[in-house]
Amino acid sequence: DAGVTQSPTHLIKTRGQHVTLRCSPISGHKSVSWYQQVLGQGPQFIFQYYEKEERGRGNFPDRFSARQFPNYSSELNVNALLLGDSALYLCASSLSLGNEQYFGPGTRLTVT
Amino acid sequence: EDQVTQSPEALRLQEGESSSLNCSYTVSGLRGLFWYRQDPGKGPEFLFTLYSAGEEKEKERLKATLTKKESFLHITAPKPEDSATYLCAVQDRSGYSTLTFGKGTMLLVSP
Repeated sequence: DAGVTQSPTHLIKTRGQHVTLRCSPISGHKSVSWYQQVLGQGPQFIFQYYEKEERGRGNFPDRFSARQFPNYSSELNVNALLLGDSALYLCASSLSLGNEQYFGPGTRLTVT
Repeated sequence: EDQVTQSPEALRLQEGESSSLNCSYTVSGLRGLFWYRQDPGKGPEFLFTLYSAGEEKEKERLKATLTKKESFLHITAPKPEDSATYLCAVQDRSGYSTLTFGKGTMLLVSP
């Protein structure tokens, strides 16, 4: 079975631009979460979606937004990019809320 | 606020030299404690979930244990392929079922 997939793998953007990251969960999983991981740190929670509804939001500015589609795939959008947004963005899926989360390979975002 | 502290930050072992990684946590009500393995530039790989104090889980050379304040990941006779960063995360019983991660322990096993 395919695991969690994310696209693109790598991305280079300029300050002030916006970016859209995509995630497809494991088949049958209905919950998707997004995390940001900077070098040397553990992943930090951004958003959680379940059945297309936002179920959790971490301590990130309103420049970050997300949504989940009827097929349970998800998008993370970041507007007005800052240098500090450079990080590995991870998507994780789970069967439901509270179950173990399985991570995708991540999208490496570099903001110059 | 949930907090997770992992120690040591880095650990260097010789092949076959057993050791333990520590994960101390503060959470209002623990739903679950999770261990992940992460290779450089990759996403975390799920290893174990522990739900209650006294619980133990094993997988090959790894064994995870849980108390009311901390969890240990014991590595028995490690091999070079066990080299990775090991992440610990907690899930709170209240509110969102999101994960709060520690910074990880970077393990290097030399042949």
